[in-house]
Amino acid sequence: EVQLVESGGGLVQPGGSLRLSCAASGFTFSSYAMNWVRQAPGKGLEWVSGISGSGGNTYYADSLKGRFTISRDNSKNTLYLQMNSLRAEDTAVYYCAKGASIAADDAFDLWGQGTMVTVSS
Amino acid sequence: DIVMTQSPDSLAVSLGERATINCKSSQSLLYSVNNKNYLGWYQQKPGQPPRLLIYWASTRESGVPDRFSGSGSGTDFTLTISSLQAEDVAVYYCHQYHTTPWTFGQGTKVEIK
Repeated sequence: EVQLVESGGGLVQPGGSLRLSCAASGFTFSSYAMNWVRQAPGKGLEWVSGISGSGGNTYYADSLKGRFTISRDNSKNTLYLQMNSLRAEDTAVYYCAKGASIAADDAFDLWGQGTMVTVSS
Repeated sequence: DIVMTQSPDSLAVSLGERATINCKSSQSLLYSVNNKNYLGWYQQKPGQPPRLLIYWASTRESGVPDRFSGSGSGTDFTLTISSLQAEDVAVYYCHQYHTTPWTFGQGTKVEIK
């Protein structure tokens, strides 16, 4: 079955760190760009970060200002998002989304169910 | 950044009637080299992740009912649901993947009148 399963979310204090994971199955993981998209409670979708199929190219939303790092392990079919210096405004459901091709500039044709990150003291 | 503006923010349509959602980008999404518009449409139902409906502005994703169609080019795009069904109640988002950072519209909520 083609699917993406996120994990690693939870409650973290402001200034803390968290690493999200996204396990992919049912397709050739290394052949597709991958992305993280978040959705704050009751709000719209916000693209966070993307990575090429090889992992050689990474892309970030300007608002993150170096706090987040995307990576992938193609041998484990897993995508990661390291989040540091977390703020209350980072509270959201974080979705893993598969690009429709190896190119970064493509639509997102498969989404995971999401993992909730809550930043609060 | 490319700003994506959807209109309206919400609309209520009777079952079987047409629903039209507009999306305007602050820059052209047409890439002249391949004549493609880098624009997608997604449907998100409550408690679910988004689902890709349309890519390249007008290509329907596999498995998407043919009552969903996309049109437009450059900076102005439209998602049309030709005959609204109860299961189409959702929030719809446009998404540009022409220039990083990729950006989404604010969403349009579709309800039954």
